[in-house]
Amino acid sequence: EIVMTQSPATLSLSPGERATLSCRASQSAGSHFLSWYQHKPGQAPRLLIYGASTRATGIPARFSGSGSGTDFTLTISSLQPEDFAVYYCHQDYNFSWTFGQGTKVEIK
Amino acid sequence: QLQLQESGPGLVKPSETLSLTCTVSGGSISRSSYYWGWIRQPPGKGLEWIGNIHYSGSTYYNPSLKSRVTISVDTSEKQFFLKLSSVTAADTAVYYCGIYCSGDTCFFPNAYDIWGQGTMVTVSS
Repeated sequence: EIVMTQSPATLSLSPGERATLSCRASQSAGSHFLSWYQHKPGQAPRLLIYGASTRATGIPARFSGSGSGTDFTLTISSLQPEDFAVYYCHQDYNFSWTFGQGTKVEIK
Repeated sequence: QLQLQESGPGLVKPSETLSLTCTVSGGSISRSSYYWGWIRQPPGKGLEWIGNIHYSGSTYYNPSLKSRVTISVDTSEKQFFLKLSSVTAADTAVYYCGIYCSGDTCFFPNAYDIWGQGTMVTVSS
């Protein structure tokens, strides 16, 4: 069973600052299977990034994904008020789907 | 555009079986690249994958829940189902259904790109 470890658990930043979120997989399924989601209270999760680095439709360019193998990063270049939320990485490894435990991006 | 809607009881008693339905609208449920999944979020915790079903009927479950979970599909009714047996308070959560599209023929390959709004289920006597 693959384990996805996200860090930090909480990121306290001000609007306009850069956010860097990390995700590490215990095994590598390849970057094709790594996705990132934004989740706000009372809403369904929203797909941001798939294939480790491709933005989904309508996702602003300030969101970018990178990485390969077992180490992946989600970067928000300049935080906007609507970006404060919880972010999850996710990987499909051999028909076992796993989410990281999440990183909360909060207003400092 | 596919849309999903969860439905089912909001309150389940301990030791009983939680049963939820996800109804699909706006398109076909029978596409070979689609896996229909259930994900939950307990209060104050993160997202947890419960399991997926392919339209062919093949199922895949979270090992930690496998002994209690059954996911099934009714393609004629465009619905898929979650049953979780012997529930405890730890199963209290918002339950989401979602579509995972696998492979290069997908618009968003290898990701959950469509989600239901979620339904809160509380386990309590």
